[in-house]
Amino acid sequence: GAVVSQHPSWVICKSGTSVKIECRSLDFQATTMFWYRQFPKQSLMLMATSNEGSKATYEQGVEKDKFLINHASLTLSTLTVTSAHPEDSSFYICTNGLAGADEQFFGPGTRLTVL
Amino acid sequence: QKEVEQNSGPLSVPEGAIASLNCTYSDRGSQSFFWYRQYSGKSPELIMFIYSNGDKEDGRFTAQLNKASQYVSLLIRDSQPSDSATYLCAVSLSAGTASKLTFGTGTRLQVTL
Repeated sequence: GAVVSQHPSWVICKSGTSVKIECRSLDFQATTMFWYRQFPKQSLMLMATSNEGSKATYEQGVEKDKFLINHASLTLSTLTVTSAHPEDSSFYICTNGLAGADEQFFGPGTRLTVL
Repeated sequence: QKEVEQNSGPLSVPEGAIASLNCTYSDRGSQSFFWYRQYSGKSPELIMFIYSNGDKEDGRFTAQLNKASQYVSLLIRDSQPSDSATYLCAVSLSAGTASKLTFGTGTRLQVTL
């Protein structure tokens, strides 16, 4: 299957700082990218959907000014958590999809810990 | 009411037995149904997906879908200790294109020696 990478795999930061997470499609061009987060002992929740060159569509309850998503190319999407707080500590996972295909390819995830 | 419901478990089965994992969903408009396996601290990995009522088999795994009952299940034959993980059920309102997945909270499976 297709390969998706995320960087960094884990990050620890101080409250109030911003953190950027990169998601790359290594061997295909993703028309759509999804960002999920997973709190401990909970399931994955979709945060936003982004298409290359378009503004991201955020799910209800997700602050677009706090979670900035940039989908600059068909192989790269970034999620920036601005002014991170301890409640933002979570496992962030990106998935990439191809037009005309149901399967989404999951990145390995980024574990964010905000102190 | 949760959109996708799963028993959290743990479901414990002996090695070599059949593990049966169940999932119900609330939205009758759901079109695609997915089973993922997630090891602790790792990202989910796709096991299989199903669109149509009935069974779909892939190796030791069989997915079963009953849209009338809004029920989807996953059977794992000849369970192995390496199958011990959390199994996530996910549904999508679309078919034929990658779209939003709504996940259940997962069932933890333990395969004992």
